[in-house]
Amino acid sequence: AQSVTQLGSHVSVSEGALVLLRCNYSSSVPPYLFWYVQYPNQGLQLLLKYTSAATLVKGINGFEAEFKKSETSFHLTKPSAHMSDAAEYFCAVRKNFGNEKLTFGTGTRLTIIP
Amino acid sequence: KAGVTQTPRYLIKTRGQQVTLSCSPISGHRSVSWYQQTPGQGLQFLFEYFSETQRNKGNFPGRFSGRQFSNSRSEMNVSTLELGDSALYLCASTPGQPGNEQFFGPGTRLTVL
Repeated sequence: AQSVTQLGSHVSVSEGALVLLRCNYSSSVPPYLFWYVQYPNQGLQLLLKYTSAATLVKGINGFEAEFKKSETSFHLTKPSAHMSDAAEYFCAVRKNFGNEKLTFGTGTRLTIIP
Repeated sequence: KAGVTQTPRYLIKTRGQQVTLSCSPISGHRSVSWYQQTPGQGLQFLFEYFSETQRNKGNFPGRFSGRQFSNSRSEMNVSTLELGDSALYLCASTPGQPGNEQFFGPGTRLTVL
């Protein structure tokens, strides 16, 4: 079965520091991978997606992620954290076309220290 | 283009009652998925509808059901509510083409007393 593991349920970084949120997936074939962000009392907003077109994916708000098949990883990074980045982040995997089911990781709550 | 809308946004019910939640997808999107979000279980897939047919189903009891109408609007129903059904229910829509992402609505917060 498809699954994703997010290491670290809580991550704190200082404003201006590098943000690194980890995601590893288990899949026998390269899947579709996504990062979503959730602000309090809101739904999920897509940050970026990997669909095999390019291993380095750039998303909104300065975030990017690199697909590494050898490590089965899809870590999310941002060079310089901003206070507005404080939120919960979810990595998700979708198996293939025709199956819209997203399997989510447990989430990482990002706190930005002023 | 309007986003995914969900009604109502908040709902309070008592055990044993039933509830119906509504989701209007983005115009032109034919696939609608439902997810349950709780602090303990996280985000879990309920089911997906495409062109009025249930295409995928998660591991939830039969008390959870859904349907999709010809205009792609979807409803989910939970019968005989239990305390553990208290959650944020999220709806997501997608055109249904390869590589397309799902767009999520703001959710319906259901509280079961």
